Amino acid sequence: GEDVEQSLFLSVREGDSSVINCTYTDSSSTYLYWYKQEPGAGLQLLTYIFSNMDMKQDQRLTVLLNKKDKHLSLRIADTQTGDSAIYFCAERFTSGTYKYIFGTGTRLKVLA
Amino acid sequence: DAGVTQSPTHLIKTRGQQVTLRCSPKSGHDTVSWYQQALGQGPQFIFQYYEEEERQRGNFPDRFSGHQFPNYSSELNVNALLLGDSALYLCASSTRDRPQETQYFGPGTRLLVL
Repeated sequence: GEDVEQSLFLSVREGDSSVINCTYTDSSSTYLYWYKQEPGAGLQLLTYIFSNMDMKQDQRLTVLLNKKDKHLSLRIADTQTGDSAIYFCAERFTSGTYKYIFGTGTRLKVLA
Repeated sequence: DAGVTQSPTHLIKTRGQQVTLRCSPKSGHDTVSWYQQALGQGPQFIFQYYEEEERQRGNFPDRFSGHQFPNYSSELNVNALLLGDSALYLCASSTRDRPQETQYFGPGTRLLVL
């Protein structure tokens, strides 16, 4: 089935690291993505990882992929108040199309 | 280089009415996908258009239909609106020439059905 799961809420203090987790179902997914959505806005692509990679680092963002457990995580180092938003993970089906399956989103609240 | 644009930004309709939402893809993109994002949920795939044809469809009723024009822009039509159709409708564009490239999303159209 098509199901991507995320925890609903995460609260961290400014300057700490945030780790947002996601589990997906399609073992053949080629690409996995992290998007950020601020209130009233559309989706902003943060980063993505190919399924043949275990880790990808992009400035403050680190993505870890565990294909065996179908687990994806996003670590945000030195979390800032501007990072407060909803974070969605998404898997892209490998059917040759661009159909993305999104998780329900994790609301990150950064406390000053 | 303009990104994905959508119009209108907001829309209010009543039950039973019909609505048309519009999307212009990012320059160089030829594929348009539509998503529905209900409040507190992640986006749900509605359908995708390429070469002016619907190529793939999610679990949405026939009340949801679309169109793609020769310039790659697209419309989403919803007939016989229900209260449950209230949501943010997102358009995303991509290109089949570069399958490794990700989709880019527009800002969305927020539809409220009363």
